[in-house]
Amino acid sequence: EAAVTQSPRSKVAVTGGKVTLSCHQTNNHDYMYWYRQDTGHGLRLIHYSYVADSTEKGDIPDGYKASRPSQENFSLILELASLSQTAVYFCASSVTGDNYAEQFFGPGTRLTVL
Amino acid sequence: QQKVQQSPESLIVPEGGMASLNCTSSDRNVDYFWWYRQHSGKSPKMLMSIFSNGEKEEGRFTVHLNKASLHTSLHIRDSQPSDSALYLCAASTSNMGYKLTFGTGTSLLVDP
Repeated sequence: EAAVTQSPRSKVAVTGGKVTLSCHQTNNHDYMYWYRQDTGHGLRLIHYSYVADSTEKGDIPDGYKASRPSQENFSLILELASLSQTAVYFCASSVTGDNYAEQFFGPGTRLTVL
Repeated sequence: QQKVQQSPESLIVPEGGMASLNCTSSDRNVDYFWWYRQHSGKSPKMLMSIFSNGEKEEGRFTVHLNKASLHTSLHIRDSQPSDSALYLCAASTSNMGYKLTFGTGTSLLVDP
């Protein structure tokens, strides 16, 4: 099974501050994803990447940046954190981007912006 | 934007009973459906996938897909307390398989 780890597991940030969430996978997967989960909204795709040094916008990219410095690592950056960004963030990976590729999720990071 | 609707929002079934969960996409281009299970405080894990019309069974779990109506359902027989979780349906189109659109989930409680 794919191993996806996230750090930190929880974070309290102040409004207007910078937050970086990190994700690391050890299974040589090409695709990596960042989702946020809010009650009543399910999981929503923020950014994804299919190769190192390249990222793509998902469905809700506003207020977020992403960075993929290597195949194993994928970061989500909130330059100016806002109250509305309080959520649980999940990183995921898949071996390819085709329709049959299962996405494996990390344990999540609970972010609270005060 | 594609929408994935799940029903019911919550469901309580007795231990040993049958749980039936529904999911429909509003996007005619959707071809692929996934069911993920998320226990409280944990991450989603893929439970089953279905890409063709018909039925697929794995142990106590059965999924159905009707592509004409873009409707899929998940049935859990002999439900166990350990099945209590949030069940998320996801859909993708054939040209963007990596882009899953998730529903808001059905919260299942199996009452022992």
